[in-house]
Parts: sequence; structure tokens; C-alpha cells
Amino acid sequence: ETGVTQSPTHLIKTRGQQVTLRCSSQSGHNTVSWYQQALGQGPQFIFQYYREEENGRGNFPPRFSGLQFPNYSSELNVNALELDDSALYLCASTSGPSEPYGYTFGSGTRLTVV
Amino acid sequence: KQEVTQIPAALSVPEGENLVLNCSFTDSAIYNLQWFRQDPGKGLTSLLLIQSSQREQTSGRLNASLDKSSGRSTLYIAASQPGDSATYLCALSGAGSYQLTFGKGTKLSVIP
Repeated sequence: ETGVTQSPTHLIKTRGQQVTLRCSSQSGHNTVSWYQQALGQGPQFIFQYYREEENGRGNFPPRFSGLQFPNYSSELNVNALELDDSALYLCASTSGPSEPYGYTFGSGTRLTVV
Repeated sequence: KQEVTQIPAALSVPEGENLVLNCSFTDSAIYNLQWFRQDPGKGLTSLLLIQSSQREQTSGRLNASLDKSSGRSTLYIAASQPGDSATYLCALSGAGSYQLTFGKGTKLSVIP
């Protein structure tokens, strides 16, 4: 059974650029969530995808967007990068809204905006 | 809005000690509570999951309890080891929502 994999592991971008982060969910999981973790803080919920539809969103602006593909992998896109977007971005998967088995997290993508 | 607090923010103990990490939350209408471990700059490793109908879960030297009525959970680590040094995060999902709300974590240092 494979876990959650994220790519790339590290990324440096310039303010104003756009970035795409990728996530492959754990085998058998059809629900993917994205979280932003600033230094010294707990992760903050960005949004969740279930069966290719966004079904929950946290307090993040529209320049944060996502996709989920038929194989349940997912992308997080951030447009017009700001310095405050520098953070660890975590992807998590679970086996669906009816399954209370908790979330499996990936190792994250460290984004630095300069 | 659910708020999760973890106290203390940091804890340093000598190797071999038993210790307790605390997590408190404001809304008792939770679906489940999960404890995670995070090594510096790394992702989250799930340690224990407690469903809302349960009161505790155990895995090896770890024991987590849940008291919804008082809005508290504890993570008990027995016979601590230097390899236990990490940040420990608790997270809750609310009834009707699978969004996780996290505390800021407790940074644990176990001194050899």
C-alpha cells in the first residue's frame, strides 16, 4: 500500500509568479485535502476534493485553486504569489466522507516566495 | 468556530520519564480526534485516531484519551526516548465536516 506522495519537495518562486503543487493520494483513498503550514503554526485547511469536486474550503482567497483527477490525484495552484504564501504545503487523503479512519498526510512541499 | 489549544508549547524531559501532552477544544460536536507527530520540516505522521464514540486508544507506548464533555484530550507517552523528540499536533474533525482543525502543537525534547 503506497502512502501520500507530494512533488516537488522544495520550490523557490518570485512574488507574482504562479505555482502548481502535486499530490498522489494513498491507494484506496478518494478524498484529498490541502493544508498550509506557516512556520511555528498548525496546518490551516485550504480545501478538500471528493470525486473531483471541491466540497469544502477554508479561509483562503480565490487565487488558491485546485483540481482532482479521475485517479484521485490532485493539484494545488496558487496565482499571484505573495511573500506570505511561503509555507509548507501538506496534502492529505482519506477514504471518503463515510469512513472515520482519519487522514494520511504526505511529506509536504516547502514553498519559498522571494 | 472550533478552536484547539495545546499546552505547553514546548516541553523538555529527561529520557525515561512518562509524560502527558494536553489538547483542549471549544466545540464538543466532533467526529474524531487525531494525534500526529511532525519532525522538523517534515510532513505529519498519524499516531492515534479516536472516534467520537471512543474514550481512548493505545499504540505501544502511546495512549490517547478523549473527554468530549470537558473538551479535552491527552496523549500519554510512557518511558520517553530521545527518538520521541518532535512536535506533537492534535487535530479534530467536526460533525458534518471532514476539515481538520489543528492546534499549534507541543514541541517535545527528550534529553538523553
